[in-house]
Amino acid sequence: DAGITQSPRYKITETGRQVTLMCHQTWSHSYMFWYRQDLGHGLRLIYYSAAADITDKGEVPDGYVVSRSKTENFPLTLESATRSQTSVYFCASRLAGTDTQYFGPGTRLTVL
Amino acid sequence: DQQVKQNSPSLRVQEGRISILNCDYTNSMFDYFLWYKKYPAEGPTFLISISSIKDKNEDGRFTVFLNKSAKHLSLHIVPSQPGDSAVYFCAASKGSQGNLIFGKGTKLSVKP
Repeated sequence: DAGITQSPRYKITETGRQVTLMCHQTWSHSYMFWYRQDLGHGLRLIYYSAAADITDKGEVPDGYVVSRSKTENFPLTLESATRSQTSVYFCASRLAGTDTQYFGPGTRLTVL
Repeated sequence: DQQVKQNSPSLRVQEGRISILNCDYTNSMFDYFLWYKKYPAEGPTFLISISSIKDKNEDGRFTVFLNKSAKHLSLHIVPSQPGDSAVYFCAASKGSQGNLIFGKGTKLSVKP
């Protein structure tokens, strides 16, 4: 049972480059989420999705794009990476009608 | 403006003693609260939750207390074990399936 996975686990890129972080879950959870974790800020919601083809902005969506063509995948794209997007990114999923979000292991992204 | 506050960045406790982690919130619309635990290089994992219709919820060594009038909740761990050493995040939402707003986290260190 793979659960929820993220790839890559570590990524170094340069300012201005496009980067896509992948998230895959095997539970068929309808809800999926992207968070970033920064020192002094805890976890902040970037985007979420209630189902395939339904996405919505969270607290800090600027500079990010998401898509959800399949229930199991929820990629996060930084179209033109900036240094302020250096962070640890967590994907999470939740079964509709329940309260618990299940988190992936995270992707540590460094933008030089 | 931070809606969920964990004012203690760190806490050190002796093994066998009680650990008390505190959390305050400012938004009176929040009616569901959760605690997540996070080990280094892993994603957060759900620990315990409480609805605003209750003032206490217990699960083994973990108890969460909610004081609605003070907009304050606390997580008690008794007895504390070295394996409890982790970062603990408090989160709040409007409804059990609302989006989560996280605090900055408290790093708990339990010493043998």
